[in-house]
Amino acid sequence: QVQLQESGPGLVKPSQTLSLTCNVSGGSIGSERHYWSWVRQPPGKGLEWIGYIAYSGITYYHVSLKSRVIISLDRSKNQFSLKLRSVTAADTAVYFCARISSDADTDVFDSWGQGTLVSVSS
Amino acid sequence: SYVLTQPPSVSVAPGKTAKITCGGNNIGDKSVHWYQQRSGQAPLLVIYSDNNRPSGIPERFSGSNSGNTATLTISGVEAGDEADYYCQVWDSDTDHREVFGGGTKLAVL
Repeated sequence: QVQLQESGPGLVKPSQTLSLTCNVSGGSIGSERHYWSWVRQPPGKGLEWIGYIAYSGITYYHVSLKSRVIISLDRSKNQFSLKLRSVTAADTAVYFCARISSDADTDVFDSWGQGTLVSVSS
Repeated sequence: SYVLTQPPSVSVAPGKTAKITCGGNNIGDKSVHWYQQRSGQAPLLVIYSDNNRPSGIPERFSGSNSGNTATLTISGVEAGDEADYYCQVWDSDTDHREVFGGGTKLAVL
């Protein structure tokens, strides 16, 4: 069974870049049926999809974050990463990495990391 | 953009049936997935593609989807079912977006 684990700094200063990594174990990121995604949850609020990357390297991002976000793959380490630049307090959230299983007509988030809280503060 | 609307809260007594709705324009034409998020934990997939349960999810959890409303039904509610529940769809019409509903807090009285 695949497991995902986020890692990265828990505190980022305003205007700087938030960087997180998701380590994938128990399965390969080299599957054509799966996408690798980031989802965030501000304190006390709902889930917000950030974006995802396919094994081919194709990426899709939420339109509201598209100008600030990059998701990348490291196939040799079986990891994928998130970079969100020019952060503000509004980016304070628990960040989850997740696996998406995709078929012809839908995407479903079938495995999740435990989440990591990132606070944006000086 | 596609919007999913959920009631903020639903309350139910133990042993009764809880129904959580997810509204969207012609949502019956899409596959709907449901996630349970207990306090301080990661979301957990409980229903996929409208009415399918992943391995390990009790039969008490079921789903339906028609017209403009999808519904998650939890029968014989237990105290451990108290959690936030989110619906989600893939919005193929707008740049491959993943859309979540705002979430519903299920309170077990």
